[in-house]
Amino acid sequence: ETGVTQTPRHLVMGMTNKKSLKCEQHLGHNAMYWYKQSAKKPLELMFVYNFKEQTENNSVPSRFSPECPNSSHLFLHLHTLQPEDSALYLCASSLKTSGYNEQFFGPGTRLTVL
Amino acid sequence: AQSVSQHNHHVILSEAASLELGCNYSYGGTVNLFWYVQYPGQHLQLLLKYFSGDPLVKGIKGFEAEFIKSKFSFNLRKPSVQWSDTAEYFCAVNKVNNAGNMLTFGGGTRLMVKP
Repeated sequence: ETGVTQTPRHLVMGMTNKKSLKCEQHLGHNAMYWYKQSAKKPLELMFVYNFKEQTENNSVPSRFSPECPNSSHLFLHLHTLQPEDSALYLCASSLKTSGYNEQFFGPGTRLTVL
Repeated sequence: AQSVSQHNHHVILSEAASLELGCNYSYGGTVNLFWYVQYPGQHLQLLLKYFSGDPLVKGIKGFEAEFIKSKFSFNLRKPSVQWSDTAEYFCAVNKVNNAGNMLTFGGGTRLMVKP
C-alpha cells in the first residue's frame, strides 16, 4: 500500500461503545494529523503529532483520545460519543510540522453514532 | 481567530465554461495558501499552492490561482472546465509565523460540471 490508509472506512457505533480508528502512512513522514469533516462545516483540525509527540490539541473533548505509537501509525480512540460526533474523520501526514510541508490525506473513516 | 471563507457553496457549470471560485482569509500576517480538491470517492489532494514570488500560481489539470494580498484573496480559476472536474474544492491557509504546520480550511465548494 502507498500513501495514507485508514481503517475502518465506515463505522457505526452506539453512544456506550468503545472503538478505535487507525491511520497508517507509508511515506516516511514524521508528522500526523486528525481532522474532522462534518456536514456543512469546514474541515477542523483535531490533533497534531510530530515525531510521536502531541503538539496540538484543538480543544477536542476528552471522549476522543489520540495515540501515536510511532511516526507511521496514529489512532483515535473513541468512547461515549454523542450523535453530533458523526462525521468523516480524516488522517493526514507531512514530512514535519515546522515550516510548510504538503499534507497528504487518507480516505477517511465515515463514523455514525447512534 | 483566523478564518477562511469560500463564497460559493455549490456551483453548476456546463463543459467548456470558465470557472472562478472565491476564497478570502482573515489573517493579516504572512500566509501560505492552498487549494485542495476531493473527487467523488477519492482522497483530498493538493491542487496548487502559493508560498511566495509570482502571485499567479499554476497547478495540476489546468487550474490556476491568483494571490491578491490587498484583498486577502486566493481565487481559483480554470478557463474551460471538463466533466471530470466535478469535485469539492477546499481553500486552506497556513500562517507562516505559526510554530506548526496547521491548516485552516474553508467550508468547501461543490462543483458539478454537466456534460
